[in-house]
Formats: sequence, C-alpha cells, structure tokens
Amino acid sequence: SQQGEEDPQALSIQEGENATMNCSYKTSINNLQWYRQNSGRGLVHLILIRSNEREKHSGRLRVTLDTSKKSSSLLITASRAADTASYFCAPLFTNDYKLSFGAGTTVTVRA
Amino acid sequence: EPEVTQTPSHQVTQMGQEVILRCVPISNHLYFYWYRQILGQKVEFLVSFYNNEISEKSEIFDDQFSVERPDGSNFTLKIRSTKLEDSAMYFCASSEIQSGNTIYFGEGSWLTVV
Repeated sequence: SQQGEEDPQALSIQEGENATMNCSYKTSINNLQWYRQNSGRGLVHLILIRSNEREKHSGRLRVTLDTSKKSSSLLITASRAADTASYFCAPLFTNDYKLSFGAGTTVTVRA
Repeated sequence: EPEVTQTPSHQVTQMGQEVILRCVPISNHLYFYWYRQILGQKVEFLVSFYNNEISEKSEIFDDQFSVERPDGSNFTLKIRSTKLEDSAMYFCASSEIQSGNTIYFGEGSWLTVV
C-alpha cells in the first residue's frame, strides 16, 4: 500500500541544534501532513502543506515540499528536550481520503 | 483549540469479550476515522465514516469490527470477541471536509487483551 517513508529512522541531536527529517512518497498527493507522537501518546498535528505549496512555517518548524521529487522535509530549529518524540509524515494521496503513515523518525534531543 | 476526545484511555479485557471505544469528534467535523497502532508498529487505517455510513475500510476492519454514530456527538468502535492481536492503541480522528483539511487525532485508547 502507498505511504510516506521517513528518513532517517532515528536522529539524536544536542539541545539547540537543528533536526531535519525527510519524507518520500511515490504517487501524486493532495496534501501532506506532519505529526508528532510522544511515547505512548496521541498524534499531534504539526503542519499541513498542500501540493501547490513549497514551504510552510509554524514557530520553530519549517516544512518544504518538492512534488517533482515526491519528497518533503521537516526542519526543527533550536531543538529542545521537549521535541523528543517520533515524527510522521502522512501524505493524502490524490483520489484517496485517508492518511497513510510510515514508520516515522524518532528524534532524541540530548540536554 | 478544539480537540478529539477518546474514552477510555486504557482498557484491559479478556479474550473473547466485546469492547466499545468511544470518541467525541470535533463538533463541526463531518468525517470520522479510526486508526490503530500496535506497539512498536506503524499507525494503520481502519475505517472512515461519513453521513452515517462507512466510506472506506481497510482489510483489518473485518466483521469483528463495527462503527456507529449513535447520536450527534459520539462515534464508537466496537470490537466483538476480542483477540490477543487486537491489543493496540486505537486512535479516533476527524476532519471538517474529506480531503485537503487537517485531520485531528485524539489521544488514543490503549486496549490490552489478555
């Protein structure tokens, strides 16, 4: 089944550093949504980027989308310990009406 | 900010028992979803629901599962005759329109089947 694939699987950074994770997908999308999940908790929506958008910002988060390469990236700037979580991209594929989740990127921010 | 609420947060049930997981979607939303996440695995789509009927379901959503919107606010997932492999976190989600809008998730209901 189609889904987004996040890379890397895991990322460990020092507090204050930036964290970048990537998402690739294979077919055309309507939009792509990024979520955060703290261990054992729910999925928190971070950003939605539409297929006709190239970049969006929300606080310390920056998401880019390159539909020609079928890829997206999430940048967390000036990371904090509280950013420790798993991050998922969830494309909404054209002619599909459900989000498809990959395995996620586990980010650990060291104090 | 409006949120999707789910109850119970955690339920332990005996194998073979029926379980009902409850969700209150965001009030002006029209599309409702159930997803599940087995421990350590991906979030998987189960079913979507609109206008009082299932609009799409996955292979996981077999006859053991059913969904219902019994009133104007609740959205439930019933699992009949639970199996050990049904142990997972179950997420309810809702969105205002079917595509192009943010899909908001609840905190989840942990189901442990023993």
